[in-house]
Amino acid sequence: DAKTTQPTSMDCAEGRAANLPCNHSTISGNEYVYWYRQIHSQGPQYIIHGLKNNETNEMASLIITEDRKSSTLILPHATLRDTAVYYCIVTSTGKLIFGQGTTLQVKP
Amino acid sequence: DTAVSQTPKYLVTQMGNDKSIKCEQNLGHDTMYWYKQDSKKFLKIMFSYNNKELIINETVPNRFSPKSPDKAHLNLHINSLELGDSAVYFCASSQQGDYGYTFGSGTRLTVV
Repeated sequence: DAKTTQPTSMDCAEGRAANLPCNHSTISGNEYVYWYRQIHSQGPQYIIHGLKNNETNEMASLIITEDRKSSTLILPHATLRDTAVYYCIVTSTGKLIFGQGTTLQVKP
Repeated sequence: DTAVSQTPKYLVTQMGNDKSIKCEQNLGHDTMYWYKQDSKKFLKIMFSYNNKELIINETVPNRFSPKSPDKAHLNLHINSLELGDSAVYFCASSQQGDYGYTFGSGTRLTVV
């Protein structure tokens, strides 16, 4: 599975969009990009995934660049409850490998 | 109705003891997993079962033995507990080929 690189931490003002970047320059053609988050002391929560096209669901949007070497998770209107560690995972092998993730702090 | 439930939520035990953690999912998924999250917060996969068959077995001491009596249950038995086994253990489930896992709320194991 391709390696991913994410910033260690980010801040976002409540009510504003949170844009979380992820680099995956060695991604191969059959690998999906998955995003999960882990709110303090809880189990990880699936957010969204994509292959080539941009995706949107009730939680977030996923923007994947045309060359697929990077992606951005967008939380359109961040709330305090979105404070969590966000993981970007690239996989095709059937197992999720969690990296360090980005700690997003949403501030009032 | 909790989708993936783990018991117990907290477990404090002495070194050398044997303990089990249970996991049940009511989502109809065919694949279940155990993950370990240590004090540095890294989540590492330990095992995966598909329809009661072991399909992933990472480098885990053989003191850890998973058991899947049916596809809705995956239990983790740990023999001769050591201080380093202290961690939060998460169970998860999915349909094979779908990486949208559903995780349980975790079992915090403390070995003293």
